[in-house]
Amino acid sequence: DAGVIQSPRHEVTEMGQEVTLRCKPISGHNSLFWYRQTMMRGLELLIYFNNNVPIDDSGMPEDRFSAKMPNASFSTLKIQPSEPRDSAVYFCASSRQGGGEKLFFGSGTQLSVL
Amino acid sequence: AQSVSQHNHHVILSEAASLELGCNYSYGGTVNLFWYVQYPGQHLQLLLKYFSGDPLVKGIKGFEAEFIKSKFSFNLRKPSVQWSDTAEYFCAVKSAGNNRKLIWGLGTSLAVNP
Repeated sequence: DAGVIQSPRHEVTEMGQEVTLRCKPISGHNSLFWYRQTMMRGLELLIYFNNNVPIDDSGMPEDRFSAKMPNASFSTLKIQPSEPRDSAVYFCASSRQGGGEKLFFGSGTQLSVL
Repeated sequence: AQSVSQHNHHVILSEAASLELGCNYSYGGTVNLFWYVQYPGQHLQLLLKYFSGDPLVKGIKGFEAEFIKSKFSFNLRKPSVQWSDTAEYFCAVKSAGNNRKLIWGLGTSLAVNP
């Protein structure tokens, strides 16, 4: 299995631009999580899905952030418009219900908003 | 609200030294506890977890952690560290049950000198 696949690995964009981050979870996993990692706040859960349905999006910082999971093998996190304070590493993780809560993380997307 | 506190932000050790990384959480109910590790340039991966039973849990690579309920602690230990243990270590907590949301500590950066 290829693991959780995220793209792009790095994204540099200008303030105001739209940013779309992509994630392909491990096949058979039915939970998907989007995290943001910064030095100041560590790992923050933004949103998670169970069976493609958003369960908890209380961590989404504001309306500029949105996430979708149109099917079991794909999810996107979109920031529109982006701001410099959105610069962070964004991780996607997946897990299998009944799999002991073990999260499998992707390699992350390093986002820099100038 | 739940929170996780990791006391040491940066730890520097020599090889063969013993390691203990502190983790305390605030939550009055039943919890599931985790330690994740992020090696340089790699994604987060599960080191060990506690759900129930023996409060001393063994993980991969010789790590162990002890859940002390009365102290709300879940400290990570290793009797003799190696250079390859250089990494970022994250403690995480979730309330037991169907809630999949993990609350994360800010992480502890461990550097092991050869």
